[in-house]
Amino acid sequence: ETGVTQTPRHLVMGMTNKKSLKCEQHLGHNAMYWYKQSAKKPLELMFVYNFKEQTENNSVPSRFSPECPNSSHLFLHLHTLQPEDSALYLCASSQDKGIWRYEQYFGPGTRLTVT
Amino acid sequence: QQQVKQSPQSLIVQKGGISIINCAYENTAFDYFPWYQQFPGKGPALLIAIRPDVSEKKEGRFTISFNKSAKQFSLHIMDSQPGDSATYFCAASLQTGANNLFFGTGTRLTVIP
Repeated sequence: ETGVTQTPRHLVMGMTNKKSLKCEQHLGHNAMYWYKQSAKKPLELMFVYNFKEQTENNSVPSRFSPECPNSSHLFLHLHTLQPEDSALYLCASSQDKGIWRYEQYFGPGTRLTVT
Repeated sequence: QQQVKQSPQSLIVQKGGISIINCAYENTAFDYFPWYQQFPGKGPALLIAIRPDVSEKKEGRFTISFNKSAKQFSLHIMDSQPGDSATYFCAASLQTGANNLFFGTGTRLTVIP
């Protein structure tokens, strides 16, 4: 295992539901990321947190709301999603020190299906 | 626009053969070029990485070849094995900026016995 856990692993939700994805890292890292992975597309960075502070919001719709209560936990709150939001959502962590930022550790992802 | 272009989209190789995946980039500010390997049901995992001042890096059966002038790099898997069947992503990294890792679209490798 990579030291990054994600729950749930699978989630089916209707467009009017509210749900949350959870990520936890046990690596002592201080940067955490949310990515969206869709078939035949590059991994799309959604949010970056460094030392619990959000430093990047990659033009993500407001129906996705991140929360980082401490450097080990990251949440993605979902509401009023669209079918095109169905994808694998990956959490990752890394050191936030220059050269080591390329070395990201990923969780197994949450497979989200919006009906 | 897509920062890193990867090809082919899929690749089928016989066991024992050489698998080759290619990537190209435009931004000369990139300072690290990692490759990630992803098995079904798992997240991507760092496989090997190279700095732009090195032309080749080898770790076991995996080799990165880097051509700085052409802004291209490739992953070679020697003596490919069925256990290497996975999706491979090239990426390019920046030391500065919050968005620091740019991925290619991935190559699904299948190694047949």
